[in-house]
Amino acid sequence: NAGVTQTPKFQVLKTGQSMTLQCAQDMNHNSMYWYRQDPGMGLRLIYYSASEGTTDKGEVPNGYNVSRLNKREFSLRLESAAPSQTSVYFCASSEAFGHGGYTFGSGTRLTVV
Amino acid sequence: QQQVKQSPQSLIVQKGGISIINCAYENTAFDYFPWYQQFPGKGPALLIAIRPDVSEKKEGRFTISFNKSAKQFSLHIMDSQPGDSATYFCAASRRYGGSQGNLIFGKGTKLSVKP
Repeated sequence: NAGVTQTPKFQVLKTGQSMTLQCAQDMNHNSMYWYRQDPGMGLRLIYYSASEGTTDKGEVPNGYNVSRLNKREFSLRLESAAPSQTSVYFCASSEAFGHGGYTFGSGTRLTVV
Repeated sequence: QQQVKQSPQSLIVQKGGISIINCAYENTAFDYFPWYQQFPGKGPALLIAIRPDVSEKKEGRFTISFNKSAKQFSLHIMDSQPGDSATYFCAASRRYGGSQGNLIFGKGTKLSVKP
């Protein structure tokens, strides 16, 4: 039971570089989410996909884009990384949008220098 | 109205003691209140959840108390153990909320249980 798989686990980027964080779930969940976690700030929603084919902005979407590739996969792209995007990024999924248990991946620790 | 306020930010409890974490919300449309537990280096994991039609839910040593009139809910950890040391997040959402139906998280409480 893999649950939610995120890759990579760690990444160091230079300012201005781009990268894509990958997320896949094997639970046939309809909804997927991207959060960032910073000390003292809790979990902040970046983007979400309530169902396959839809994506919407969350609380902190600036500097990010997402793609819901299919029901299983939801990627997060940083087009031009900035030091302010240094954070731990979590992908999550749920059977129903906003309800039920969210299953989180183990996170990607990103450092932008 | 979308905020969930969590306190305290950090908590130190002796082994065997009771840990209490509180959350307050403003949006009366919220109807689902879960708690998540996060260990260092891991993602949050669902611990226990409650709906507003009950005032208390217990699972093992973990209990959620819910006060609808005060718009508050709390997590009680009985007989706290060092293995309970983690960060705890409360959250809230509303069914059929459409674009407003996202799960809203509190900022977290770091619990340390001393042996």
